[in-house]
Amino acid sequence: NAGVTQTPKFQVLKTGQSMTLQCAQDMNHNSMYWYRQDPGMGLRLIYYSASEGTTDKGEVPDGYNVSRLKKQNFLLGLESAAPSQTSVYFCASSSSLTSASYEQYFGPGTRLTVT
Amino acid sequence: AQSVTQLDSQVPVFEEAPVELRCNYSSSVSVYLFWYVQYPNQGLQLLLKYLSGSTLVKGINGFEAEFNKSQTSFHLRKPSVHISDTAEYFCAVIPFSGNTPLVFGKGTRLSVIA
Repeated sequence: NAGVTQTPKFQVLKTGQSMTLQCAQDMNHNSMYWYRQDPGMGLRLIYYSASEGTTDKGEVPDGYNVSRLKKQNFLLGLESAAPSQTSVYFCASSSSLTSASYEQYFGPGTRLTVT
Repeated sequence: AQSVTQLDSQVPVFEEAPVELRCNYSSSVSVYLFWYVQYPNQGLQLLLKYLSGSTLVKGINGFEAEFNKSQTSFHLRKPSVHISDTAEYFCAVIPFSGNTPLVFGKGTRLSVIA
């Protein structure tokens, strides 16, 4: 039982390049999330998906896109990378958005540097 | 909308001393409350949560938190810390109803000094 996995673990991009961060969960969770973590800013929600096939914007969605075609996968795309997107990205999943026993499970993170 | 304020960005404490990490929240509706911990170079993991019932909640690794509705606080405490408790701690809330995700505070970095 791997939980939440993220690939890659590290990535360096040049300004203007594009890439996709991959997230997979094996807990049959309905909801998935992408966060970025920057020093002094805590965790900021980029996008989330309440269920397969649906996505919603979070606090900081500009410059990103997402895809949730399969229940177990949630992809985060950077269309044209900018230095301001240098960050650590975390994927998380939960059984649902509104479960009374709500708990989010986090992946190990992807450290992205844009030069 | 909900918001979470963690009053201290950094807390240094000597080993075996007690510690309190403070969390206040703002919400127009009732909320569930959580504390997450992030060890260096890892993702977050759940430390404890308050859903209902007793306002004193016990979590993993000897941590506990107390929900105070009148003060809208959910402070985290440990009577005696260890070096291994060095980590970043995040308070988070979610409303009882509705379809909005967790809202996190900015985190408190706990540094335990030998």
